[in-house]
Amino acid sequence: GPKVLQIPSHQIIDMGQMVTLNCDPVSNHLYFYWYKQILGQQMEFLVNFYNGKVMEKSKLFKDQFSVERPDGSYFTLKIQPTALEDSAVYFCASSRPGNTLYFGEGSRLIVV
Amino acid sequence: GEQVEQRPPHLSVREGDSAVIICTYTDPNSYYFFWYKQEPGAGLQLLMKVFSSTEINEGQGFTVLLNKKDKQLSLNLTAAHPGDSAVYFCAVRLRGGNYKPTFGKGTSLVVHP
Repeated sequence: GPKVLQIPSHQIIDMGQMVTLNCDPVSNHLYFYWYKQILGQQMEFLVNFYNGKVMEKSKLFKDQFSVERPDGSYFTLKIQPTALEDSAVYFCASSRPGNTLYFGEGSRLIVV
Repeated sequence: GEQVEQRPPHLSVREGDSAVIICTYTDPNSYYFFWYKQEPGAGLQLLMKVFSSTEINEGQGFTVLLNKKDKQLSLNLTAAHPGDSAVYFCAVRLRGGNYKPTFGKGTSLVVHP
């Protein structure tokens, strides 16, 4: 099926530093999403993005978080500064309008 | 907003047995329904997408039932095998491009040989 690629697959970072998680969505998809998963449990919605704008964000999408997709390149999630509680696996997904979300393999972030 | 309750959180069965996972949702306008499978260390793999118009959906080795009256979606694995061991998530979304899916909390299925 359609593939969403995420880079990096793993990252360890010092608390307070900045991290950027990159997502290469499916080529003809227009909607992009980030989800957060802790300990293999619930998929927690963070944000969705369409036409260069955030459509909806959850309470988990703190002020330290930002997303962008400059010039149709990677869809990125930036956390600045990072906190210990940001340690999780972050999943990117993309979809066409009203259609199935396809997920990447996740970026495992460890904040120490 | 939409609430999705998924049960059981953990399920252990023997190879060859059936396994049933149920999700109950709240919004009667829910239109798309999904089951995803997540193997350890991996992303979510789409098992099946179901439209609100179809009550019985057959996959390879499983059936997805949609009961709109009771607002329930179920995944029925027939003759489970160890390769089915994974975490399964249901997801529900409204019609329209702006709506994000709401996920259940997941069911960890273990199939013993």
